[in-house]
Amino acid sequence: KAGVTQTPRYLIKTRGQQVTLSCSPISGHRSVSWYQQTPGQGLQFLFEYFSETQRNKGNFPGRFSGRQFSNSRSEMNVSTLELGDSALYLCASSSLWGRSNEKLFFGSGTQLSVL
Amino acid sequence: DAKTTQPTSMDCAEGRAANLPCNHSTISGNEYVYWYRQIHSQGPQYIIHGLKNNETNEMASLIITEDRKSSTLILPHATLRDTAVYYCIVRSSGANSKLTFGKGITLSVRP
Repeated sequence: KAGVTQTPRYLIKTRGQQVTLSCSPISGHRSVSWYQQTPGQGLQFLFEYFSETQRNKGNFPGRFSGRQFSNSRSEMNVSTLELGDSALYLCASSSLWGRSNEKLFFGSGTQLSVL
Repeated sequence: DAKTTQPTSMDCAEGRAANLPCNHSTISGNEYVYWYRQIHSQGPQYIIHGLKNNETNEMASLIITEDRKSSTLILPHATLRDTAVYYCIVRSSGANSKLTFGKGITLSVRP
């Protein structure tokens, strides 16, 4: 079974631009969550989707948004990029949402550099 | 905020067991303990999780104390490829089911 697939693997943008990152969950998984990892802040939760609905949101500005499609694939968008948005963006999938006994599986991430 | 505390770093010799401690003194009755590891610039890899009983899989063993306030991840025969940052996470259910990562513990396996 294929793992969580994130595209692209690397991305370079300039300040003020916007970017869209894609995540394909493990087949059969319906929950997708996103995390941002920076050297200073570590791994931080962005948001989580299940059945095309956002179920949980972290403490990030409105420039960060996401969505989930009917096939469970998810995208996240960052508008008006800032230098501080440079980070590794990670996607994780699980079968269900909200279960403390449910394993999350992570993709390899998208490394975003904002110049 | 992360609900766990871990040492910053530790090392062990290749072939020996690596015992990684974690404190989670405020854990609630229905919260699970999870362990993930991350090798530089890759996504976190699931290792093991448990509620109150000890758990073992092909990667590791998880020992949870009877009061559930602490746990230990055991890598029985550490290899150089086990060098990574290991995260101990306490996970709730429902709206609080997201994974909250702390700083983790950096394990260095030496030849």
